[in-house]
Amino acid sequence: EVQLVESGGGLVQPGRSLKLSCAASGFTFSNYYMAWVRQAPKKGLEWVATISTSGSRTYYPDSVKGRFTISRDNAKSSLYLQMNSLKSEDTATYYCARHGTNWQYYFDYWGQGVMVTVSS
Amino acid sequence: DVQMTQSLSYLAASPGESVSISCKASKSISNYLAWYQQKPGEAYKLLIYSGSTLQSGTPSRFSGSGSGTDFTLTIRSLEPEDFGLYYCQQYYEKPYTFGAGTKLELK
Repeated sequence: EVQLVESGGGLVQPGRSLKLSCAASGFTFSNYYMAWVRQAPKKGLEWVATISTSGSRTYYPDSVKGRFTISRDNAKSSLYLQMNSLKSEDTATYYCARHGTNWQYYFDYWGQGVMVTVSS
Repeated sequence: DVQMTQSLSYLAASPGESVSISCKASKSISNYLAWYQQKPGEAYKLLIYSGSTLQSGTPSRFSGSGSGTDFTLTIRSLEPEDFGLYYCQQYYEKPYTFGAGTKLELK
């Protein structure tokens, strides 16, 4: 059974940093592109980052480019999101998600999410 | 960016009825369209990808149609477990974008 379990969320002040982790199990982690998706309170879903199988390629929307860094450790079947220079608008539930096979960029499995609150 | 519009925010229906949820893209996305379901306390679940391909485990009462800019998720003969939130997502190009969601409520 595919499982994605996020951790590392919490309350952080604007301008500070936070690192999220996602522990994956139930599949060969190194074979899949992985991603982070977020959902602000009472808002829709927003794709945040994608990383290739080896970690050599990463992709971000403009809203987080230069502030967020996605990475992975295939030996540990773990995905990470380093978030710097956090803003109040980054307040959201962050989901770890697996991309589909064959470079299909839908999300076929999601974690339960971890809450990040950016506030002074 | 490709804007995804789900015209209905809420849809009320009764078990046994059939419903359709629409999703419109601001430009042609071919069939690079996925549908997701969210229920309280549960992880998001992929229902359909490539516009009409059922993900493994998705009941056959769900179907997807459309290509280009207009897409529809249809649920035949609603079951009690089908009530929840439904989102569409385009993966034709980055940034990948989602519709605002349609909440399917019990009438």
